[in-house]
Amino acid sequence: GAGVSQSPRYKVAKRGQDVALRCDPISGHVSLFWYQQALGQGPEFLTYFQNEAQLDKSGLPSDRFFAERPEGSVSTLKIQRTQQEDSAVYLCASSLVGAGHNEQFFGPGTRLTVL
Amino acid sequence: AQTVTQSQPEMSVQEAETVTLSCTYDTSESDYYLFWYKQPPSRQMILVIRQEAYKQQNATENRFSVNFQKAAKSFSLKISDSQLGDAAMYFCASGGTSYGKLTFGQGTILTVHP
Repeated sequence: GAGVSQSPRYKVAKRGQDVALRCDPISGHVSLFWYQQALGQGPEFLTYFQNEAQLDKSGLPSDRFFAERPEGSVSTLKIQRTQQEDSAVYLCASSLVGAGHNEQFFGPGTRLTVL
Repeated sequence: AQTVTQSQPEMSVQEAETVTLSCTYDTSESDYYLFWYKQPPSRQMILVIRQEAYKQQNATENRFSVNFQKAAKSFSLKISDSQLGDAAMYFCASGGTSYGKLTFGQGTILTVHP
């Protein structure tokens, strides 16, 4: 595809439900990032993959959050037993290689609302 | 650890005028990169401009330029000849040299008046 895509674009979950958010990075991009963006705030780092390896998960807020990228392309962010404080936009970004100067290309995000 | 602060929640500018958005940062990295990202109402974030901290020369991209003051840890964005399409949320971000994890500021909403 031409850019990073994410699905679903909008997700409403009842508190306690599990959700899965999908990210399709730009083809060939080695690096993949997940960020959480609360309303009116800047994105906050959640986790980083280089190919299929999850090299940094220091930003995951609790053990209810889990991310995977099993074949080094598509990634899924899973949130178990959702809580109201999980309501946010979840952004995925990819870059060609894992280097600080590289531009990250962002997807449109998934807006999660937990009732 | 890195922190990024944008002290202007909102800014406005007349079309064709110039506006400057402020950003300060703090980092323990010896080398790092600084970025300005634009997030239009559709929410897809796009890179506006980037600065390598070891370079003295300020980055420019067409109507966009930065004023990078390394000692003061300041990284402001100047938009010249503002256009209606420049209206968006602007985020300042810093990243280390290892793999590009970004730390974002709180954002500045820019309104452009015709």
